[in-house]
Amino acid sequence: SQTIHQWPATLVQPVGSPLSLECTVEGTSNPNLYWYRQAAGRGLQLLFYSVGIGQISSEVPQNLSASRPQDRQFILSSKKLLLSDSGFYLCAWATGGSYEQYFGPGTRLTVT
Amino acid sequence: AQSVTQLDSQVPVFEEAPVELRCNYSSSVSVYLFWYVQYPNQGLQLLLKYLSGSTLVKGINGFEAEFNKSQTSFHLRKPSVHISDTAEYFCAVRNTGFQKLVFGTGTRLLVSP
Repeated sequence: SQTIHQWPATLVQPVGSPLSLECTVEGTSNPNLYWYRQAAGRGLQLLFYSVGIGQISSEVPQNLSASRPQDRQFILSSKKLLLSDSGFYLCAWATGGSYEQYFGPGTRLTVT
Repeated sequence: AQSVTQLDSQVPVFEEAPVELRCNYSSSVSVYLFWYVQYPNQGLQLLLKYLSGSTLVKGINGFEAEFNKSQTSFHLRKPSVHISDTAEYFCAVRNTGFQKLVFGTGTRLLVSP
């Protein structure tokens, strides 16, 4: 069966520091991968999605970036964090033939 | 652009009472519809989905939803809620041929004894 991992689970970082969040999927090949951010009391905002290695689509212009170095690995990065980057970051996957997305456990990021 | 409206940000209900969480979407073209549940500090879990066929869809944990094309709605219902149903519920829509889901802002269901 398929599983999705995210780490770290929680992270506290100072303003201006770099960021790297990792997401990996097991049990499937060539999945579509997604990064979402959920701010406190708000819905989900799609940040990036990828349909294949090295293929990244950005939904919201900001100081975040994403990369997909391997088929089942999706990384969210920033060179300099802002206070507004705080939130709950969720990774999700879907196969090309499925209609729904499956979510990871999330990473709680607090920028101080 | 596609949008999803969940009119109720919070729904308080007593245990064993029925509940309906409302969801409306903007597009009249063919869509796929989903309900997800999120417990505190966890990811989203798929409750149910409508792809085609019967407009009444049954999901996990006793939830069901009805697709109404004329009213562009996909309301979630449960005849008798439990304390453990306390969570955030998200409605989502995907246009056929697209890879992205559009989510509503969520409804917090608060079940009290």
